[in-house]
Amino acid sequence: EAQVTQNPRYLITVTGKKLTVTCSQNMNHEYMSWYRQDPGLGLRQIYYSMNVEVTDKGDVPEGYKVSRKEKRNFPLILESPSPNQTSLYFCASRPIPTGANVLTFGAGSRLTVL
Amino acid sequence: DAKTTQPNSMESNEEEPVHLPCNHSTISGTDYIHWYRQLPSQGPEYVIHGLTSNVNNRMASLAIAEDRKSSTLILHRATLRDAAVYYCILRDVVRGSARQLTFGSGTQLTVLP
Repeated sequence: EAQVTQNPRYLITVTGKKLTVTCSQNMNHEYMSWYRQDPGLGLRQIYYSMNVEVTDKGDVPEGYKVSRKEKRNFPLILESPSPNQTSLYFCASRPIPTGANVLTFGAGSRLTVL
Repeated sequence: DAKTTQPNSMESNEEEPVHLPCNHSTISGTDYIHWYRQLPSQGPEYVIHGLTSNVNNRMASLAIAEDRKSSTLILHRATLRDAAVYYCILRDVVRGSARQLTFGSGTQLTVLP
């Protein structure tokens, strides 16, 4: 089944303890992206990647890092999490080029930083 | 990307058609109209998209006004499983950057049994 898989789905951590949220897709998509979703703010893009070793900042990149060493994986790294990073995170992917620009999303990762 | 306006919430009865409106008065000629929906506790999922002509797929229909300043997502027979937040999004595929679609607040659809 074509899908985007995120892990963990739920995580509670403490301020300053480094964590990584993994994202993997099995559709051979070039483009991958991370979003965070907060009440009243909709989905906001954190980072995106056009292909292996190519990443760029989205609208809210502060406090996050990403890497794209393999086409299928796009981990989101929080080096020193803070409570304002408590949120619901989504990874998404799509092929390039495409006129439709249709994204496939993962199921989400709910992160709580105490 | 150009802005869209949707009602915050709508209600529908099960088995009845639902028409979800979206206004996009500043749409450009190269903007595609996309609809996604987000079911409870899930990631957004693609529903349908179009440019100028009305579109149909297995999930829904998209009716686009002749001047393209508005569109309507049509669910022909709403089921309880269609209860979700529906997002109307514009995407300029010519001038747009690599940044992704901008999701607003969407319309929360409640389906009544």
